[in-house]
Amino acid sequence: DQQVKQNSPSLSVQEGRISILNCDYTNSMFDYFLWYKKYPAEGPTFLISISSIKDKNEDGRFTVFLNKSAKHLSLHIVPSQPGDSAVYFCAASARSNTGKLIFGQGTTLQVKP
Amino acid sequence: NAGVMQNPRHLVRRRGQEARLRCSPMKGHSHVYWYRQLPEEGLKFMVYLQKENIIDESGMPKERFSAEFPKEGPSILRIQQVVRGDSAAYFCASSPPSSGVRDTQYFGPGTRLTVL
Repeated sequence: DQQVKQNSPSLSVQEGRISILNCDYTNSMFDYFLWYKKYPAEGPTFLISISSIKDKNEDGRFTVFLNKSAKHLSLHIVPSQPGDSAVYFCAASARSNTGKLIFGQGTTLQVKP
Repeated sequence: NAGVMQNPRHLVRRRGQEARLRCSPMKGHSHVYWYRQLPEEGLKFMVYLQKENIIDESGMPKERFSAEFPKEGPSILRIQQVVRGDSAAYFCASSPPSSGVRDTQYFGPGTRLTVL
């Protein structure tokens, strides 16, 4: 039962353009969402988060959008840089469920110079 | 201001041996989470601990796996009688004491376990 899904295994964009990574979830109890970036042989690095009381959160080049009715969130990276090339994981948690994170399968982003 | 520390970074064991993975949380953090990543998959929650307490072990396999977070020292994930299917990357994450605001979990670099 995959409660958090990232349906695109990979994405390729040109440097300077926008990268849009998508994530869907099924559990309506999720109330906190996070995006992590992961390089090979390293641990996930926190990027940005959003609470279910908001529909948008922005931090520099990174913006996360949350559509609760569609149970969908997306991460926008503008402008994309070659150093952004990594695996991006969407994660969700529910305050009622000890705060453990449920991860998607990840999307590999490649930003071409 | 060290981040989450994990050791060893790489661990090789033969089938039937024991594996011990260590995690030191960030300074000031009292919550520790363990996750496992199998090849080509996302991270899967295993266990959530606070000092001297297991809060949620719903993701732990029923046998051979155990975890602790003693009053002093690192958190330990212990796998007894390892099998090839235990080969994975094991990540530890920590978060600060809850302040009523949802706390972000910060991850260590992981321990890559290989079972021969």
